Amino acid sequence: QLQLRESGPGLVKASEALSLTCIVSGGSIGNTTYYWGWVRQPPGKGLEWIGTIYYTGITYYNPSLKSRVTISLHTPKNQLSLRLTSVTAADTAVYFCARYSYGFHYWGQGNLVTVSS
Amino acid sequence: SYELTQPPSVSVSPGQTARITCSGDILAKQYAYWYQQKSGQAPVLIIFKDIERPSEIPERFSGSSSGTTVTLTISGVQAVDEADYYCQSADNSGTWVFGGGTKLTVL
Repeated sequence: QLQLRESGPGLVKASEALSLTCIVSGGSIGNTTYYWGWVRQPPGKGLEWIGTIYYTGITYYNPSLKSRVTISLHTPKNQLSLRLTSVTAADTAVYFCARYSYGFHYWGQGNLVTVSS
Repeated sequence: SYELTQPPSVSVSPGQTARITCSGDILAKQYAYWYQQKSGQAPVLIIFKDIERPSEIPERFSGSSSGTTVTLTISGVQAVDEADYYCQSADNSGTWVFGGGTKLTVL
């Protein structure tokens, strides 16, 4: 059974960078069938797609975040990572990692990140 | 970029049929996906490729598509179906998008 688990700090200072790791078990991130993505959800608000990465390393980013986002795969560790720079209070959200193949079929439980001023 | 538009809320009584729409130009060319999210939990995929249902999802959930609008139908709504529902699509250039979400209230 595939499992994803987000890991990272729960508190980040404004203007600094947010870094999260998604630990994948029960399946390989090198599988050519799937994409891997990050989605966030501000408190009380809807889902926002952040970006997606294919096993080749090709990335796709939300245009509204593209200048600040980097998503990477770490195949030996079976992990993917998210880095978001120059954060503000608007980046406070639950961050989810998920696996995509005609839909996000598997999700992590989410990691709440609060940006403090 | 493009947008997917959903009604903010839908209310139905138990046993009735709930219909949640999602509209956007991209839907005329690309598949739609539907997610159910209960409070404090991660979303769950309930419909993929417009009309397909994962095996673990109850048969009362179904999807349909017509032009630029897709519809999630929940037949015989139960109290346990009260949740937020999101549509999602992706274009060929590598842009994914979610609709704003619809809160389903079971009266």
